[in-house]
Amino acid sequence: EPEVTQTPSHQVTQMGQEVILRCVPISNHLYFYWYRQILGQKVEFLVSFYNNEISEKSEIFDDQFSVERPDGSNFTLKIRSTKLEDSAMYFCASSEQGGYNSPLHFGNGTRLTVT
Amino acid sequence: GENVEQHPSTLSVQEGDSAVIKCTYSDSASNYFPWYKQELGKGPQLIIDIRSNVGEKKDQRIAVTLNKTAKHFSLHITETQPEDSAVYFCAAMETSGSRLTFGEGTQLTVNP
Repeated sequence: EPEVTQTPSHQVTQMGQEVILRCVPISNHLYFYWYRQILGQKVEFLVSFYNNEISEKSEIFDDQFSVERPDGSNFTLKIRSTKLEDSAMYFCASSEQGGYNSPLHFGNGTRLTVT
Repeated sequence: GENVEQHPSTLSVQEGDSAVIKCTYSDSASNYFPWYKQELGKGPQLIIDIRSNVGEKKDQRIAVTLNKTAKHFSLHITETQPEDSAVYFCAAMETSGSRLTFGEGTQLTVNP
């Protein structure tokens, strides 16, 4: 079964550094998402992306965050200047159609640790 | 915005028993309610979903019920097995939106 793949599985960075989290969505999917999960808390929506632009973003997704689909296969999340509170598990997801019409498939996540 | 609450936070059952997890939501515009299973070190995996035009849906040992009037939905797992042990999340999405709002999760432990 096709999978969403994320790299790296674990990223450690110092406060103030930039990080890029990478995702390869399922090949025929058109909608892409980033979610995060702080340890012990619920999964939170960050952003949705379709047709090379952001469809929706949450209050968490401030100017420090950006997303990009640099080529036909990758979908990235960049955090410009990381803060301690950015430490979390970041999940990429994709869906064939808009989320209501087809289910989201999640990757296994990237654990980001900011020291 | 939408708020989803999930109970219980932990649930321990004996193998073969049934497990029920309940969620409530606040936004009457929500129309799509998936359930995800998350095993240690992995991402959420969809196990069943329901849309608002249906009151109940079943897939083998798993069933979901939806009460739109009361704004709650439940996951039922029958004949539980040790491999059902995981964290289960409910979520809600409105028709016009693209964000899933998740509940807090339920740690289900099935004891052999």
